[in-house]
Amino acid sequence: DQQVKQNSPSLSVQEGRISILNCDYTNSMFDYFLWYKKYPAEGPTFLISISSIKDKNEDGRFTVFLNKSAKHLSLHIVPSQPGDSAVYFCAAREGTNAGKSTFGDGTTLTVKP
Amino acid sequence: EAGVAQSPRYKIIEKRQSVAFWCNPISGHATLYWYQQILGQGPKLLIQFQNNGVVDDSQLPKDRFSAERLKGVDSTLKIQPAKLEDSAVYLCASSLRLTSYEQYFGPGTRLTVT
Repeated sequence: DQQVKQNSPSLSVQEGRISILNCDYTNSMFDYFLWYKKYPAEGPTFLISISSIKDKNEDGRFTVFLNKSAKHLSLHIVPSQPGDSAVYFCAAREGTNAGKSTFGDGTTLTVKP
Repeated sequence: EAGVAQSPRYKIIEKRQSVAFWCNPISGHATLYWYQQILGQGPKLLIQFQNNGVVDDSQLPKDRFSAERLKGVDSTLKIQPAKLEDSAVYLCASSLRLTSYEQYFGPGTRLTVT
């Protein structure tokens, strides 16, 4: 039973346009969500996060939206740049063990020049 | 600040052989994690240490996998004997403390079992 799902394995957008990556979860005990970015042959790097008490968090070109009732979050990248091409993982945490992350399977984003 | 170091970067072994991976976390980070990432999937937590104690090893296949962090700094993950389905990237990550949300990942070790 996969508790964090990223239903789109891949996404392709044009440079300068918006990229929207989606993530759904089933465990209502999750109270903190993170997005990681991964380049080939490197480990994931933290990108942005959001607590369940918020519905939006913004950091430069990256914004994460959380819809708790729908158990859905999304990552918006505006404007998209070729350097954003990577695999993006959604991860979720439970408050009882803040250190334990459950990851989705990732979405490969390709930004075309 | 140096990142999380892992070695080796690549390893090819035959099934039933044993293999060990090493991880050195960021200096001062008390919490260390080992993840298994199978191709096309997200990282799956195998074991979590707080200093030299195990916090969570519920998803570690203990009949063949073992891990230790004896001095609360670097860590070793071992597989013995390896199976074909163990082919994956093994990622080590660390965080400042148990309650830290952000983790810092190493580059991983790609294991191929033939």
